[in-house]
Amino acid sequence: DGGITQSPKYLFRKEGQNVTLSCEQNLNHDAMYWYRQDPGQGLRLIYYSQIVNDFQKGDIAEGYSVSREKKESFPLTVTSAQKNPTAFYLCATGGGLAPVGEQYFGPGTRLTVT
Amino acid sequence: GEDVEQSLFLSVREGDSSVINCTYTDSSSTYLYWYKQEPGAGLQLLTYIFSNMDMKQDQRLTVLLNKKDKHLSLRIADTQTGDSAIYFCAESPQMDSSYKLIFGSGTRLLVRP
Repeated sequence: DGGITQSPKYLFRKEGQNVTLSCEQNLNHDAMYWYRQDPGQGLRLIYYSQIVNDFQKGDIAEGYSVSREKKESFPLTVTSAQKNPTAFYLCATGGGLAPVGEQYFGPGTRLTVT
Repeated sequence: GEDVEQSLFLSVREGDSSVINCTYTDSSSTYLYWYKQEPGAGLQLLTYIFSNMDMKQDQRLTVLLNKKDKHLSLRIADTQTGDSAIYFCAESPQMDSSYKLIFGSGTRLLVRP
């Protein structure tokens, strides 16, 4: 897990509520990523940020929002517009010296919405 | 298009070798990676290979790259029960400077005692 913290590990919410997942890093990496993992589907990119105050949509950004006000932090909000929010969410960092493209992952947050 | 494919499941007996295969589509990828995920945890980088290499060995792990066929494999020698996990192959497309990785769907390795 290195220097990446995701909290909480398990999160339960009622349908219709927004929920924010935390991701903090002390690796001094510029880039941060949010992935969603569903059984048998691997990882799908939600949002990523290469630098403070800038972020880009990934492949499945609808129903999610992010902010990047500090280098160390990249919180993900799962909004009520996300139709199927129950999943395992992984935060990662990258952009380190070598090798290019290597990413470091946090321990993940399992979100259950009922 | 970008796509990375892996078989979903592999079962081996403890002590045998495991071979996990992956095919990718982006020939411009500079690096190719193998990540391991244990139950309920994040991914950890196992090893990587630079695209101008054919093989890389790291203790019990051997990575083979066939660029012509866009085929990557991970061989684990003397597989142990602690190797049971999901293994993801990933590519890093050269043309994309965002450091995005494209992941396969993962191969679940089960090691039987």
